[in-house]
Amino acid sequence: GAGVSQTPSNKVTEKGKYVELRCDPISGHTALYWYRQSLGQGPEFLIYFQGTGAADDSGLPNDRFFAVRPEGSVSTLKIQRTERGDSAVYLCASSLRGREEGREELFFGEGSRLTVL
Amino acid sequence: GENVEQHPSTLSVQEGDSAVIKCTYSDSASNYFPWYKQELGKGSQLIIDIRSNVGEKKDQRIAVTLNKTAKHFSLHITETQPEDSAVYFCAAPRITGANSKLTFGKGITLSVRP
Repeated sequence: GAGVSQTPSNKVTEKGKYVELRCDPISGHTALYWYRQSLGQGPEFLIYFQGTGAADDSGLPNDRFFAVRPEGSVSTLKIQRTERGDSAVYLCASSLRGREEGREELFFGEGSRLTVL
Repeated sequence: GENVEQHPSTLSVQEGDSAVIKCTYSDSASNYFPWYKQELGKGSQLIIDIRSNVGEKKDQRIAVTLNKTAKHFSLHITETQPEDSAVYFCAAPRITGANSKLTFGKGITLSVRP
C-alpha cells in the first residue's frame, strides 16, 4: 500500500508475555520512528531509525523495550515481560530523509493497540 | 527538554463558525511547528506547519500563526465542517545536536456540531 502499515491493529496479552509489533513504512523513506500514545496523551517518542541503525533510542522506557530494522525498511518493536503499564497505542511513522526529523512531515500508521491484562 | 502544552483539551463549535486552538512551547530554539490531525481509524496527518522565519501561513480554511516572543502558535480553522471533528496535536522539536525530535502536546478534541 501507499501508506505506513502496522500489524497487528490490536493485541491483547497477559502480563509477563512477549510481544512483537510490526511496522512497514512508506517505500523509500529512510527514517522510521516509533511513538507510544496513552489515553488522553499525545504521541511520546520512543526510538528513531535512520536506515538500519537506531539513531536515537532515548525514548525507550527501559530495557524491556527493543526495536530493530535489519534491512532498512520493516521495523519490529519488541516488548519483553509485558506489564499493565505498557498498555497503549504504539504508533509508527516514517519520513523521507529524517536528518531533519523535527522539520519534515511524518507519515503515521494507524497504530497497534496493545492491552496487557 | 521541550515542553508543549495545549489548552483547552476539548472544543465544541457550531458548523460554520471558526475554531482557534492554541499551543505553547518552552524551547526558544525550536524553529518548526506542525499541526497533526488524528481521526478515528486513521493515521495522524500533517495538516499545516510553520517555520520560525514567518509569522503566519494559510492553506484554504486553515491557518497557523506564530508568536516567537511569547512562544506560542495557534491553529485557526474557518467555516468549520463536521469532517473537521478530530483530535488535533501540535508539536515542536527538541533540538539536540544534529537531530531534533518532535515533542507533541496532549491534543485537543474538536467537535463541530451540525
